[in-house]
Amino acid sequence: QSALTQPASVSGSPGQSITISCTGTTSDIGSYTLVSWYQQHPGKGPKLMIFEVNKRPSGISNRFSGSKSGNTASLTISGLQAEDEADYYCCSYAGSSAVVFGGGTKLTVL
Amino acid sequence: EVRLVESGGGLVKPGGSLRLSCAASGFTFSNAWMSWVRQVPGKGLEWVGHIESKTDGGTTDYAAPVKGRFTISRDDSKNMLYLQMNSLKPEDTAVYYCTTEDNWNYDYWGQGTLVTVSS
Repeated sequence: QSALTQPASVSGSPGQSITISCTGTTSDIGSYTLVSWYQQHPGKGPKLMIFEVNKRPSGISNRFSGSKSGNTASLTISGLQAEDEADYYCCSYAGSSAVVFGGGTKLTVL
Repeated sequence: EVRLVESGGGLVKPGGSLRLSCAASGFTFSNAWMSWVRQVPGKGLEWVGHIESKTDGGTTDYAAPVKGRFTISRDDSKNMLYLQMNSLKPEDTAVYYCTTEDNWNYDYWGQGTLVTVSS
């Protein structure tokens, strides 16, 4: 499976909203609702932010939301805060017990 | 509090072997599906494979690049997860993370252990 496609970088000012896209194919995102998003700060392990397209784990701010349309999933962060600056990765089940991640997006809070 | 602590990384020559360990605490390890995910420094994440809980069958699955060379196992009596890596290649150089898995979601991650394959 090929990696999911994400923009290399996005940026926004504090208080603004940003959206990170994640494009796959009919074999992964297009066929399953098993899309998740991870936040990674430098030197740290990733943290689950969104699972099953639009569900938030306990303790994750409702400023984080997810959606999916066709072969593309999206992560939206509203009310940007300085601590949101990190790398973000999407992930999708791809059938036959296989998983594919995106290449990652670096979010800069200006 | 869920805690996952990886160990066993280091420098190994191409063709060599290494076994990574992951010590788990703060949850019922025997009930958990567990995965390994790796990350080339400065690059993206790549799923390596997983192991089901024994009650769900204990089956393992692997990503194509490591199938036949890597083996995931678990010792529920010690709350330990393992990754045996054989026939290592330079492209296996990465930070290896141990994660819990719930329906193909990776909810808790360790801090990772670095494996460097180089002559």
